[in-house]
Amino acid sequence: EVQLVESGGGLVQPGGSLRLSCEASGFSFSGDEMNWVRQAPGKGLEWVSYISARGDTIYYADSVRGRFTISRDNAKNSLYLQMNILRAEDTAVYYCARSSGYLVNWGQGTLVTVSS
Amino acid sequence: EIVLTQSPATLSLSPGQRATLSCRASQSVFSYLAWYQQKPGQAPRLLIYDAVNRATGIPARFSGSGSGTDFTLTISGLQPEDFATYYCLQDYSYPWTFGQGTKVEV
Repeated sequence: EVQLVESGGGLVQPGGSLRLSCEASGFSFSGDEMNWVRQAPGKGLEWVSYISARGDTIYYADSVRGRFTISRDNAKNSLYLQMNILRAEDTAVYYCARSSGYLVNWGQGTLVTVSS
Repeated sequence: EIVLTQSPATLSLSPGQRATLSCRASQSVFSYLAWYQQKPGQAPRLLIYDAVNRATGIPARFSGSGSGTDFTLTISGLQPEDFATYYCLQDYSYPWTFGQGTKVEV
């Protein structure tokens, strides 16, 4: 069974940093593409970032480019999202998601709150 | 960026009725369109991929159609567990984009 477990969310002040992690199991993590998707409270879904299986191709949404960095450690079956210069509008539940073209499996999410 | 517009925003129906949800793209995404179901407090669940293919374990009452710019998700015979919010996603080009969602309510 595919499992994706996010961690690292919490309360951070505007301008601060946070690193999210996603631990994967139940599939060949090193062979699959991964993504981060977020959802602001009461709002819709927003795709944030993509990383290829080997980590050599990366894409970002315009809203986070230059502030967020996606990475992975295939030896640890883990995906990361380093978030810097956080803004109030980054407040959201952050999901990691495995993709095969489309988003196939999702974690349960971790809440990031940016507030003073 | 490809914009996806879903309609209607809210669909008020009763169990047993047929639900028809629309997703329109600002430019062709060919068949690179997926549908997701989300219930409050839960992660989204994949229903349909490549516009017409049901994901593993998805009941046959869910069906997808369309290509290019116009897509439809049909739920034939709503069950109580189908009342939720539905999103479309285009995975044709980055940045991937979602529609704003359609809430199916009683």
